[in-house]
Amino acid sequence: GQNIDQPTEMTATEGAIVQINCTYQTSGFNGLFWYQQHAGEAPTFLSYNVLDGLEEKGRFSSFLSRSKGYSYLLLKELQMKDSASYLCAVRDKAAGNKLTFGGGTRVLVKP
Amino acid sequence: GAVVSQHPSRVICKSGTSVKIECRSLDFQATTMFWYRQFPKQSLMLMATSNEGSKATYEQGVEKDKFLINHASLTLSTLTVTSAHPEDSSFYICSATAGQASNQPQHFGDGTRLSIL
Repeated sequence: GQNIDQPTEMTATEGAIVQINCTYQTSGFNGLFWYQQHAGEAPTFLSYNVLDGLEEKGRFSSFLSRSKGYSYLLLKELQMKDSASYLCAVRDKAAGNKLTFGGGTRVLVKP
Repeated sequence: GAVVSQHPSRVICKSGTSVKIECRSLDFQATTMFWYRQFPKQSLMLMATSNEGSKATYEQGVEKDKFLINHASLTLSTLTVTSAHPEDSSFYICSATAGQASNQPQHFGDGTRLSIL
């Protein structure tokens, strides 16, 4: 099976930077996705990593280290609207390329 | 970008009622769609993989006769919760992938909040 761990909750100040870590264990790693989910809404796609390194998309960046089974999502210049849950999801070839989601990290941005 | 439409967005009904939820890919064809369930403050749990033209693949612990899935066309999958009870109350979300490339993300519908009285 797969084990995906991420912190339950984080608090940060508007304008600051927050880093959300995700560790995983999988036998057939085939990509890692980050999603944002506001309360009561469906997840929206943020980023995808399959090779080691940093992927930057505006205020959001995602990093992957396959050897360490580790990824992080970096949110810069935090805005109030960034208050949401952030879900780390891993695709596993050994599981038919299905996505398995971590428990999600609730980020609260304070003024 | 790829759009997935899910309907209805909210259902409130009596215990024993069967409820059908539709998931449509609006601007792409999806041979595979996924159905998830999410309890409050918890993550998404995959219930089943819906395959166009064949039987759905259910995850362990998910009752096939309870959660009927039909994927009759390349743009529509339906989930029917049969004889729903209060414990079936949850947020149900579908997703689909546009294309077979491994870097294609799953795009999610807006979800259906099901409340059984």
